[in-house]
Amino acid sequence: KAGVTQTPRYLIKTRGQQVTLSCSPISGHRSVSWYQQTPGQGLQFLFEYFSETQRNKGNFPGRFSGRQFSNSRSEMNVSTLELGDSALYLCASSWGKVTNEKLFFGSGTQLSVL
Amino acid sequence: AQSVTQLGSHVSVSEGALVLLRCNYSSSVPPYLFWYVQYPNQGLQLLLKYTSAATLVKGINGFEAEFKKSETSFHLTKPSAHMSDAAEYFCAVTRVLYGGSQGNLIFGKGTKLSVKP
Repeated sequence: KAGVTQTPRYLIKTRGQQVTLSCSPISGHRSVSWYQQTPGQGLQFLFEYFSETQRNKGNFPGRFSGRQFSNSRSEMNVSTLELGDSALYLCASSWGKVTNEKLFFGSGTQLSVL
Repeated sequence: AQSVTQLGSHVSVSEGALVLLRCNYSSSVPPYLFWYVQYPNQGLQLLLKYTSAATLVKGINGFEAEFKKSETSFHLTKPSAHMSDAAEYFCAVTRVLYGGSQGNLIFGKGTKLSVKP
């Protein structure tokens, strides 16, 4: 069974650009969560989707958005990139509404903003 | 509001020595607590969880943690460190929502474990 797949693995962008990150959950999983990991702030929750609906959102500016498709694949978008958006973005999936003991993480997308 | 504090951003032990990684939590409601491990260039892997059943929780790779409500702690231990245990460890807390689902994870800052030969 394939794990959580995040693409691309690495990304380099410049300030002011926008970026879209993709996450394919484990087959059959309907919940997808996104986390941002930085050396300074650590791991912070971005948002969670279940059956194409955003169920929960963290404390991030509106430049950060996401969506989930009918096949449970999810994308997150960051517009008007800032240097501080450089981070590892982790996606995690679970079968039902988030049950953290059954949360599986992808390897992440490393975003560098120059 | 919930929060997690991990004492010590770096811990170094010798191979075969006891591993003790400290985690204290703050929660106004009974918490669910987790320990995750992250190896370089990888995502997070669940080590163990506390979900209000037994207070001593056993996880994978020989790790265990004890939930102590009076001390608001959930420290991670392993009797004998192995070189392969070198990684970053994260303690996390969440809350149970109406209907039994869980909220998002709130992570500590992490503790990097080094194991010396």
